[in-house]
Amino acid sequence: DAKTTQPPSMDCAEGRAANLPCNHSTISGNEYVYWYRQIHSQGPQYIIHGLKNNETNEMASLIITEDRKSSTLILPHATLRDTAVYYCIVRALRLTGANNLFFGTGTRLTVIP
Amino acid sequence: DTEVTQTPKHLVMGMTNKKSLKCEQHMGHRAMYWYKQKAKKPPELMFVYSYEKLSINESVPSRFSPECPNSSLLNLHLHALQPEDSALYLCASSQGRAGEYEQYFGPGTRLTVT
Repeated sequence: DAKTTQPPSMDCAEGRAANLPCNHSTISGNEYVYWYRQIHSQGPQYIIHGLKNNETNEMASLIITEDRKSSTLILPHATLRDTAVYYCIVRALRLTGANNLFFGTGTRLTVIP
Repeated sequence: DTEVTQTPKHLVMGMTNKKSLKCEQHMGHRAMYWYKQKAKKPPELMFVYSYEKLSINESVPSRFSPECPNSSLLNLHLHALQPEDSALYLCASSQGRAGEYEQYFGPGTRLTVT
């Protein structure tokens, strides 16, 4: 799987949009971009994933650049409960080995009142 | 229902003990996973089961022994652990192994080896 690069930490004011970037410059055509988050001492929570097109669900939006080398997770109105570590992960469509959800170091998002 | 349950929530065991961690899901998922997470580190994959068969073992020491009795249950048997095995153990499940399927995680079992 392609590796990802994320900033180690970010702050966001409550009520504002949180934009979390991720670089995955070595991504290949059959690899999905996934976002998970982990609130302190809990299991990771699935947020959203996409292949080529932008995606939106009730939690967030995922914007993938046309060349697919980077993406941005957008939390439209951040709340204090969104404070967590956010992981950007690239997964191949077909699993031929140990490429299940390689978690990088993630971005620690702190939502400030 | 997108819930994965894990028991126990906390476990303290000595190095000579034998214990088991349990994981259950009722979403009809056919792939199940064990991850290990040390403090302030990301989760690391240990095992993957697909259709109740072990498909990936990430070079995990034999003192960790996974078992998948049926499609809803996943166990992790522990024996002769070391203090450095203390960690949060996470179970996850997904509809299939392929990359298009998201994984759902349980809350984890926090293991302390004394």
